[in-house]
Amino acid sequence: DVKVTQSSRYLVKRTGEKVFLECVQDMDHENMFWYRQDPGLGLRLIYFSYDVKMKEKGDIPEGYSVSREKKERFSLILESASTNQTSMYLCASSLLTGGNEKLFFGSGTQLSVL
Amino acid sequence: GENVEQHPSTLSVQEGDSAVIKCTYSDSASNYFPWYKQELGKRPQLIIDIRSNVGEKKDQRIAVTLNKTAKHFSLHITETQPEDSAVYFCAASTPGAQKLVFGQGTRLTINP
Repeated sequence: DVKVTQSSRYLVKRTGEKVFLECVQDMDHENMFWYRQDPGLGLRLIYFSYDVKMKEKGDIPEGYSVSREKKERFSLILESASTNQTSMYLCASSLLTGGNEKLFFGSGTQLSVL
Repeated sequence: GENVEQHPSTLSVQEGDSAVIKCTYSDSASNYFPWYKQELGKRPQLIIDIRSNVGEKKDQRIAVTLNKTAKHFSLHITETQPEDSAVYFCAASTPGAQKLVFGQGTRLTINP
């Protein structure tokens, strides 16, 4: 079965810190995604990547950047963390490009910015 | 871009009864509609999906219906059980968009 692994389950950071969230998938999937999950707002797409070194903005990219240097790894970067970025962050991958493929999610990283 | 609205935000039903969650979408070109289930503390997982060339799909106790004219689709769970308690997300995508747009989620509670 596909495994999508996020490096941290819980993370506490200070305002202004640079934060890295790491995600690795083990099934050679083309697409990788970063979502944030907030109660009442569902899953909102931050960034996605359909190939190495390629990235596309999602619906809420402000304050975030991403890096995909290797096919299996997709990193989310908060350049200067703010309290409104406290949230659950979910990484996902899908086998092929296109929006009509099954997503495989990681377990999530609960980030608290103090 | 696509917008997906999901209702209700919370739903409580007695064990054994049916539950229905509804979603509407804005882009008539959307052609793929999955449903994800997220149990407490766990990752979302795909439970069923439907494409625009069919009107209904069933998998044991769950079914999804699609009304393209009205631009809405629904998840139906029959004979609900305690393990059905979870947050359910609907989503939609359009050809070439390369991404899913999710609804706001519905927290379903099954009361014994």
